[in-house]
Amino acid sequence: NAGVTQTPKFRILKIGQSMTLQCTQDMNHNYMYWYRQDPGMGLKLIYYSVGAGITDKGEVPNGYNVSRSTTEDFPLRLELAAPSQTSVYFCASSAVNEKLFFGSGTQLSVL
Amino acid sequence: GENVEQHPSTLSVQEGDSAVIKCTYSDSASNYFPWYKQELGKRPQLIIDIRSNVGEKKDQRIAVTLNKTAKHFSLHITETQPEDSAVYFCAASTPWDAGNMLTFGGGTRLMVKP
Repeated sequence: NAGVTQTPKFRILKIGQSMTLQCTQDMNHNYMYWYRQDPGMGLKLIYYSVGAGITDKGEVPNGYNVSRSTTEDFPLRLELAAPSQTSVYFCASSAVNEKLFFGSGTQLSVL
Repeated sequence: GENVEQHPSTLSVQEGDSAVIKCTYSDSASNYFPWYKQELGKRPQLIIDIRSNVGEKKDQRIAVTLNKTAKHFSLHITETQPEDSAVYFCAASTPWDAGNMLTFGGGTRLMVKP
């Protein structure tokens, strides 16, 4: 079991560029999440999904989009990168009412 | 929505001493309270969790207590070791379709001095 796998690990974007952060899990979890963590801060929920085809906004969704076409994959899309999106992004998954498993994170810098 | 406050933001202890981190939550419907440890540059890792039907849970040197009436919960680490140095996050989960909608506290940077 690989758990939750995120790619890429690091990325530098220019303002206005777009990119997709990939997340896949092999634990057959229905629930998946995207969090962002700014330097020295806690984690804030961006988007979440309760199953394939179902997504919803979290606390800080502006500037991001997600899709969930399969149980395994939950990519996060940044359409027009802004410096405020410089952060570490964590994908996570869980079974029903169980603990979250986090991916290793993507460190994104927007310059 | 749920709001979780965590104190202190930094905590420095001598090796062998105890460390206590406290969190308060706002939503009385919250029923799951995990604690995560995050080492520098690493992902958060669950170290202990407690559900609202239990008042205390212990795992070796780590314990968590929950006071539902006061809406606060605490992490206790005894006999601290240098490898306990990390950032610790509490979280509270409000039920939604049986999933875990976690709201995290702001974190506590624990430093254990040898």
